[in-house]
Amino acid sequence: DVKVTQSSRYLVKRTGEKVFLECVQDMDHENMFWYRQDPGLGLRLIYFSYDVKMKEKGDIPEGYSVSREKKERFSLILESASTNQTSMYLCASSLGQGGLDTQYFGPGTRLTVL
Amino acid sequence: DQQVKQNSPSLSVQEGRISILNCDYTNSMFDYFLWYKKYPAEGPTFLISISSIKDKNEDGRFTVFLNKSAKHLSLHIVPSQPGDSAVYFCAASGDSGTYKYIFGTGTRLKVLA
Repeated sequence: DVKVTQSSRYLVKRTGEKVFLECVQDMDHENMFWYRQDPGLGLRLIYFSYDVKMKEKGDIPEGYSVSREKKERFSLILESASTNQTSMYLCASSLGQGGLDTQYFGPGTRLTVL
Repeated sequence: DQQVKQNSPSLSVQEGRISILNCDYTNSMFDYFLWYKKYPAEGPTFLISISSIKDKNEDGRFTVFLNKSAKHLSLHIVPSQPGDSAVYFCAASGDSGTYKYIFGTGTRLKVLA
């Protein structure tokens, strides 16, 4: 069974703080993803990584950066948190095979920026 | 520009009846489609998938239909159960080089006992 874990379920930060969200997967997956989920907007891709130290911007990368130093770990960094980054953040991983490549999600981190 | 659309934000169905959730897409290059179910305060869980070489895929109570000419897919749940109450997302991909999926905005299904 694939397990994707996220470091915090709930997080409250202040505007301007640097925020780290950590994600770990235990299935040796090649690909890892960070999404945010907002009401009426669905899941939007922030960044993804297809290999260690490799990353690509998703649809909404502004205000975020990522780090993947080890295959199992993918971090999302908010350099200077702002109130419009209050959201549910979801991490996912996938095997990285061609064709149908199911993504497996973690439980999510609900971030509130005050 | 929303490439994957779920036009019904919510749906209520009586227990035991059929639930039909719809999804439309605009990109004819999409060739893989997935449905995910999401409970509150949990991450989405994979439900069922279909590739563009098929027009139907069935898994127990869940069936996904794909109409390529209409760029439309639907998820049928028969019979619906109260535990099926959740938000359902469809997702589409056609870019197998990067394995990216485009997600719809979700439909909240409520199954009434």
